[in-house]
Amino acid sequence: GAGVSQTPSNKVTEKGKYVELRCDPISGHTALYWYRQSLGQGPEFLIYFQGTGAADDSGLPNDRFFAVRPEGSVSTLKIQRTERGDSAVYLCASSPGPRDEQYFGPGTRLTVT
Amino acid sequence: TQLLEQSPQFLSIQEGENLTVYCNSSSVFSSLQWYRQEPGEGPVLLVTVVTGGEVKKLKRLTFQFGDARKDSSLHITAAQPGDTGLYLCAEPYNTDKLIFGTGTRLQVFP
Repeated sequence: GAGVSQTPSNKVTEKGKYVELRCDPISGHTALYWYRQSLGQGPEFLIYFQGTGAADDSGLPNDRFFAVRPEGSVSTLKIQRTERGDSAVYLCASSPGPRDEQYFGPGTRLTVT
Repeated sequence: TQLLEQSPQFLSIQEGENLTVYCNSSSVFSSLQWYRQEPGEGPVLLVTVVTGGEVKKLKRLTFQFGDARKDSSLHITAAQPGDTGLYLCAEPYNTDKLIFGTGTRLQVFP
C-alpha cells in the first residue's frame, strides 16, 4: 500500500517568506508526527497529532512554526517569516496509534536563501 | 529529555569487513530502537530492544541492549555496499515522540 507522502520534495524560498509543507499519512493512521533534520544530525521532534488535535507541540522552536491537521488525515506545517536557520529536511511520520511503529515519509528539503 | 550519543560519527570500510556502532546515554532507556536512513528517504525501523541484556539478530545485523539499559550496539558482519546509510538509535519518549541519537554515517565500498 501507499506509504507516507510529502510535498513538495524540495522547496527553495527567500528569507522572510511564508512556506507550507504538506504530509499525507498512511490511510487509517491516527497519529502523525513532524520532525526536523539538520545536515548530519538525527531528526528532532517538532509536533505530534492524535486525530485532529496537537497532543504535544513542545518541539516547535518558536511561534513562527505552526501545524494543523483539520480532518485528522493530511497535515500542513506552516513556517512564517522564514530564516536561513530554518533550512533543513522536514520529516513527517504516521503510526496506527501513539505507541505503534512510526512510518516516515521521504521528507521535504527546505532551503532558505 | 536525555541525550543519545552515537559513535563513531563516520565509518568508511571495505565490503566484507565487520563493524560495530554504539549508542550511549547517561540515563536508563525505557526501550531503544535502531533505524537506517538512506539518502533522500526517511528512517526505517530495524529493531526494538526492551529488556536489559537482550540480543536480537536481523540477518547480518546483531543488536545488543546493555544490561543496565544505558547503552546499545549494532554489529554488522561482512558489510555490503547495500548497508551504506545513516544509522540512528532512538528512544520512544512519553509515548508521543522519538528522541534520536546523533547518528553514524556508514559507507561501504565495493
